[in-house]
Amino acid sequence: EAQVTQNPRYLITVTGKKLTVTCSQNMNHEYMSWYRQDPGLGLRQIYYSMNVEVTDKGDVPEGYKVSRKEKRNFPLILESPSPNQTSLYFCASKSLGAMFYGYTFGSGTRLTVV
Amino acid sequence: AQTVTQSQPEMSVQEAETVTLSCTYDTSENNYYLFWYKQPPSRQMILVIRQEAYKQQNATENRFSVNFQKAAKSFSLKISDSQLGDTAMYFCAVHTGNQFYFGTGTSLTVIP
Repeated sequence: EAQVTQNPRYLITVTGKKLTVTCSQNMNHEYMSWYRQDPGLGLRQIYYSMNVEVTDKGDVPEGYKVSRKEKRNFPLILESPSPNQTSLYFCASKSLGAMFYGYTFGSGTRLTVV
Repeated sequence: AQTVTQSQPEMSVQEAETVTLSCTYDTSENNYYLFWYKQPPSRQMILVIRQEAYKQQNATENRFSVNFQKAAKSFSLKISDSQLGDTAMYFCAVHTGNQFYFGTGTSLTVIP
């Protein structure tokens, strides 16, 4: 089954404790992206990657890191999480050039930073 | 900058009735695609319907249809014969270049 797998689904952590949210897709998509969803703000892009070793900032990159060492994986790293990073996070992927098909989304990670 | 505006934060509709969710957008691109995504309480993002900007004919998927007005940059979603399972957050999105731009969402409640 074609899918984007995100883990964990829920995470509660303390301020300053480094964490990683994993994202993996099995569709050979070139493009992968991370979004955060907050009430009243919709989905805002954090980082995206157009291919292996190619990453770029989205609209809200502060406090986040990403890497793209393999085509299928695109982890999101919070080096020193803060309470304002409490949010719902989505990983998404798509095939470059196949604009009509849009994104395939992961199932989301609910992160709480206390 | 591209912007997507959903001016109705919350809406409700009686079961079996029809409801229309509005979306306007701003882009200077000629080639773009428009999407409506549904997010039920399970929070999974589900594609509802999509429209190619260069096609004048409005897209239809079963009970879901769009009213695409390119000159007005409007892309509304009509849900006919509303069902309880349609209760969800709905996001409008514009895909241009390699970027997706999302609206802030409309929370739809279907009332039995």
